[in-house]
Amino acid sequence: DTEVTQTPKHLVMGMTNKKSLKCEQHMGHRAMYWYKQKAKKPPELMFVYSYEKLSINESVPSRFSPECPNSSLLNLHLHALQPEDSALYLCASSQDAGPGQTTDTQYFGPGTRLTVL
Amino acid sequence: AQKVTQAQTEISVVEKEDVTLDCVYETRDTTYYLFWYKQPPSGELVFLIRRNSFDEQNEISGRYSWNFQKSTSSFNFTITASQVVDSAVYFCALSEGGGSYIPTFGRGTSLIVHP
Repeated sequence: DTEVTQTPKHLVMGMTNKKSLKCEQHMGHRAMYWYKQKAKKPPELMFVYSYEKLSINESVPSRFSPECPNSSLLNLHLHALQPEDSALYLCASSQDAGPGQTTDTQYFGPGTRLTVL
Repeated sequence: AQKVTQAQTEISVVEKEDVTLDCVYETRDTTYYLFWYKQPPSGELVFLIRRNSFDEQNEISGRYSWNFQKSTSSFNFTITASQVVDSAVYFCALSEGGGSYIPTFGRGTSLIVHP
């Protein structure tokens, strides 16, 4: 089973709201990722968690706060977002991650389409 | 630094036509991995194939085939007898085995298959 699930599918929020995106995988993968994708662009990496620890933060603004409660779950907490943050947010997982490790295939979830008003 | 170029922004074909999506990559590593993903309008990135740099065998999976040529740094993807359901954006990606393990994506090619 190569399934990554994400909730919600769609989210509309105001600039003062606080919301969370959730991602779950049950493939036993130890690396999980958040990507942001604008229309007609490739996905842009935001965060990488490896063995439940944050290993990469691609200089993402602090209004985005990731959390990895356990090896199967990944959250992205949103606060005080701007309209330009409207995008498709994709979660992905892979077997392992880290320098010197075999590059493993990333499996993506269906994404959350976020609109910030 | 690694780089992936998908020069075709959009391709439009009629059903049953064959279509080839081009992917050219740049890397200094001798060990690297190439991927193709499909993104239909629903948004999910669907993994199609992974190829490592030591395996230049071409691959066929149903109507899909991939041609990996290290001599030209290309990893092209052909869909035979295209169908409307093949309409999607296709991304080629590259990961370097000895350095950054995070894939670099090309800009994507939008394929539109008309009935």
